[in-house]
Amino acid sequence: DSGVTQTPKHLITATGQRVTLRCSPRSGDLSVYWYQQSLDQGLQFLIQYYNGEERAKGNILERFSAQQFPDLHSELNLSSLELGDSALYFCASSAADTQYFGPGTRLTVL
Amino acid sequence: DAKTTQPNSMESNEEEPVHLPCNHSTISGTDYIHWYRQLPSQGPEYVIHGLTSNVNNRMASLAIAEDRKSSTLILHRATLRDAAVYYCILRPSFAYGNKLVFGAGTILRVKS
Repeated sequence: DSGVTQTPKHLITATGQRVTLRCSPRSGDLSVYWYQQSLDQGLQFLIQYYNGEERAKGNILERFSAQQFPDLHSELNLSSLELGDSALYFCASSAADTQYFGPGTRLTVL
Repeated sequence: DAKTTQPNSMESNEEEPVHLPCNHSTISGTDYIHWYRQLPSQGPEYVIHGLTSNVNNRMASLAIAEDRKSSTLILHRATLRDAAVYYCILRPSFAYGNKLVFGAGTILRVKS
């Protein structure tokens, strides 16, 4: 158990819809990262937050947004969903050089 | 981001040592070598990291070539639970809290 929790575990929705994925980092970790894992693209970095502020952006679509709240949990919002957004979404947190990953949320867009 | 090259897949017998190679010929002097693994249906998991010297921890050992252009992750006694995708990742030492750039990794199969 990494100490990082993600909800929900599974999400099935339709094209055009909007969903929110939630991540709770390990106690005391200020950095939260979001990654997407799909069959054709592999594991890709989306975005990082540090203590509530956006720190780095990767290949995140404009339809996607994230935020980190004062209690350090983070949410990833995905809107106008397309079939290609079906993937595993992982959250990770870190305090130093090591990242600790959550179990992921599997998103299926029908 | 500096690139790493790993074999697509490797196979090992249970209870035997496994040597997973990684080439990183364009590594810079400030890049740490990190290894993560991803077990089936789980998120990636940190294994080990190092800069120049060989490193050991409870999970594995990391052997780094003198010129740092390659490294080897060593699992001393493979178990069925070690079957996973292993990722070798370079990360600048000044990039505290920076993203991880994952390649395709090496799929390790362990036979009983």
